Amino acid sequence: DAGVTQSPTHLIKTRGQQVTLRCSPKSGHDTVSWYQQALGQGPQFIFQYYEEEERQRGNFPDRFSGHQFPNYSSELNVNALLLGDSALYLCASSLPWGSPGRNTEAFFGQGTRLTVV
Amino acid sequence: DAKTTQPPSMDCAEGRAANLPCNHSTISGNEYVYWYRQIHSQGPQYIIHGLKNNETNEMASLIITEDRKSSTLILPHATLRDTAVYYCIVRGLGAQKLVFGQGTRLTINP
Repeated sequence: DAGVTQSPTHLIKTRGQQVTLRCSPKSGHDTVSWYQQALGQGPQFIFQYYEEEERQRGNFPDRFSGHQFPNYSSELNVNALLLGDSALYLCASSLPWGSPGRNTEAFFGQGTRLTVV
Repeated sequence: DAKTTQPPSMDCAEGRAANLPCNHSTISGNEYVYWYRQIHSQGPQYIIHGLKNNETNEMASLIITEDRKSSTLILPHATLRDTAVYYCIVRGLGAQKLVFGQGTRLTINP
């Protein structure tokens, strides 16, 4: 089992550009969440996808959007990049939280380090 | 989301038990206590979770006080590889997201 895989591992973009980050969930998981982690801070929830729909969203602007594919993989898109978007972007997969009897802890990938210059 | 309070840093000698406290005085009855850790340059790793009973798995033990207002994560025999930031998270049934605070930076010393 490869666990959660993210690509690319590192990325450098210029302010104003757009970026797409990719995530493949752990085998058997159907729910994908994205988090942003600034240097020295804890991860902050961006949004979660389940059944190809955004299920919950954190306090992030519309420049942050996502998609989930039928195979449960997911993309995070960020438009009009700002210097402040520089961070580690983490993907986590799980089974839907709240399902009785199901193990719903989240498994995280290694992240994509995005640097905006 | 209920908030948690953790000490910013702790040290522990290799081979000793590491006891990491967490205060969650505003926790409500259906909220779980989760612990994750993040080793440098890696994604967070699930450790353990509980509702009101003490829990133990192959990684750690979780002790929750009777009033559920605080908990302690215990790593019974800490190794250098346990050096990481440890996050205590309170999560309600139906809450899809994990709300991370600043965590405790645990350093295991040889």
